[in-house]
Amino acid sequence: ETGVTQSPTHLIKTRGQQVTLRCSSQSGHNTVSWYQQALGQGPQFIFQYYREEENGRGNFPPRFSGLQFPNYSSELNVNALELDDSALYLCASSLPGRGPDTQYFGPGTRLTVL
Amino acid sequence: DQQVKQNSPSLSVQEGRISILNCDYTNSMFDYFLWYKKYPAEGPTFLISISSIKDKNEDGRFTVFLNKSAKHLSLHIVPSQPGDSAVYFCAAKNTGNQFYFGTGTSLTVIP
Repeated sequence: ETGVTQSPTHLIKTRGQQVTLRCSSQSGHNTVSWYQQALGQGPQFIFQYYREEENGRGNFPPRFSGLQFPNYSSELNVNALELDDSALYLCASSLPGRGPDTQYFGPGTRLTVL
Repeated sequence: DQQVKQNSPSLSVQEGRISILNCDYTNSMFDYFLWYKKYPAEGPTFLISISSIKDKNEDGRFTVFLNKSAKHLSLHIVPSQPGDSAVYFCAAKNTGNQFYFGTGTSLTVIP
């Protein structure tokens, strides 16, 4: 039990639609990172938010965007969904300065794009 | 561009024996390396880490070795137990706190 929750668990969308995925972090964890894990692959870093500001971004297009809220929750938004966006989306929260091993992952949201 | 690679998709080991999982990386600027364990329907769980200035870190049955000149790290589990059966991800962190993961190795410990 990591204290990080994600919703929904599963989601089915069609190509071209928009989707919002949600993550609730542990209290006090002011850094959240989002990852995309395609089938048979490792998690790929999408972006990180620190104190509600984007604090680093991986190799993902601008149609992937995020928000972080003062209550330690966050959102991943994906516009103009493509078939290749089908994946498990993971969020991970952490407390900066406590070392890299204090990153806690949620169980993920499985997105299927048809 | 896969900066962290795990070339063995799967590994089977007898209970009580040693499990050795390997990982290679390309970016010499990584400052921390980590191993995560993942069960189905759960997110990855942190297992053990090592700073780039160390060459070994041990925690109970788990030891991670880092060879910076070869850009290689390995996770040793001894003795292996059936409960260790899971997918293991190697990850590397840069100074910007961005994590790069390998593709995972599925470990099966046979009773």
